[in-house]
Formats: sequence, structure tokens, C-alpha cells
Amino acid sequence: GENVEQHPSTLSVQEGDSAVIKCTYSDSASNYFPWYKQELGKGPQLIIDIRSNVGEKKDQRIAVTLNKTAKHFSLHITETQPEDSAVYFCAASTGTSGYSTLTFGKGTMLLVSP
Amino acid sequence: SQTIHQWPATLVQPVGSPLSLECTVEGTSNPNLYWYRQAAGRGLQLLFYSVGIGQISSEVPQNLSASRPQDRQFILSSKKLLLSDSGFYLCAWSVPGANVLTFGAGSRLTVL
Repeated sequence: GENVEQHPSTLSVQEGDSAVIKCTYSDSASNYFPWYKQELGKGPQLIIDIRSNVGEKKDQRIAVTLNKTAKHFSLHITETQPEDSAVYFCAASTGTSGYSTLTFGKGTMLLVSP
Repeated sequence: SQTIHQWPATLVQPVGSPLSLECTVEGTSNPNLYWYRQAAGRGLQLLFYSVGIGQISSEVPQNLSASRPQDRQFILSSKKLLLSDSGFYLCAWSVPGANVLTFGAGSRLTVL
């Protein structure tokens, strides 16, 4: 089955700096890669996703890049703000079943200091 | 628009007691439904998924069970809780055949 590794487990940055979270996956058939943000005591929320036919996708201060050859993808957050502090999860899926087959990384706790 | 409700938000139960967590989805029909457990430092673990009423698939053998008595209702149960059942439980839904998951707010279970 799919295996997703996520690094780092914790990341501390100063407000205004950039933050990068990296994930690798094992199944070359995976073609869908979402990122979720989980604030304390809440459920994860989808913030951006990318499919295998695209190498990069951007939405305001966040961007995701995908390297299918190397089987890794990354989340980039620019101009970080204290409200970006949360746990971020990456995930991967082949999308070949009739239900969601997402495999999640173990999460990265991002702390943005004012 | 679609919304997902999950309750209770917090639960403290003694070892050996029963459990019932409920999840409902509004604004859509025939959703795929999921129960995940989140333990500290271990990410999101899929416990059960359902593609229709009465259809339950288990991903991990455990002390828990799931039921789907109605199209948009998903219940997580246990007859006798163990200490190891403590954790944060998340309900989620997706459009059939799609990978995009929408999560509920979660239920924090503490077994003492």
C-alpha cells in the first residue's frame, strides 16, 4: 500500500518568513495530493491540492509543488502570519477505488511567532 | 451547501463502558462516509468507511464498530471501551468516487 512520509514534524518560523513542508510517497500510481490544515481542537480542512498532471499550484500565500519522478511534493507558505500556526497534513491517493483512499502523513506542527 | 455535524465534542468514559459517536451530513445524497482516529504524533488512521446504507468496511481490526442506519448518518460504537481507545475521532464525507474529504470538527474521547 501507499506510504507517505512528512518532514519536519515541527517547524518554528518568525512572522513574515517562509515555511516549507515536504512529503514523499511510495506508490508511483498516486495522482492526487491534498494538504490539510488542522487548528487546535478542530477537524482538518483542505487548503490546497494538486493532481499529477500539474507540477505547481498557487493560491495567494500558499503553493504546492509536485515532482512525480522523485515522488515528492511540498507545501510552501510565504509571508507567514500567526494565524498560520496549526498542524499541516499531506496525503496521497491513487483514486482508483469508489471511495477516498487517502494515505496521510503524520503531520507538521507549524508555529509562527509574532 | 454541505455541512457535517459530529457529536459529542468531548467525552470522558470509564473503561468497560459503551460508546456511541454520531455523525450526520446535510446538503448531499448518498455520500461516502468515514471514521478516522487521530492519535498524537501518528497522523490520521482510517477506521471505517461506508459507500451506502448498511455497507461498512473496516480498515483496522479493533474494539470498535460502525453502523450506517440512514443515508447521511454514521455511528461509531463500542460495547466495552479500553484505555487504548482514547483519542480524537473524526468523521468525514466525500462524493462517491472522489478523493476530496471534508472532515467534521471531531470528538475527543478520554477513557479513564
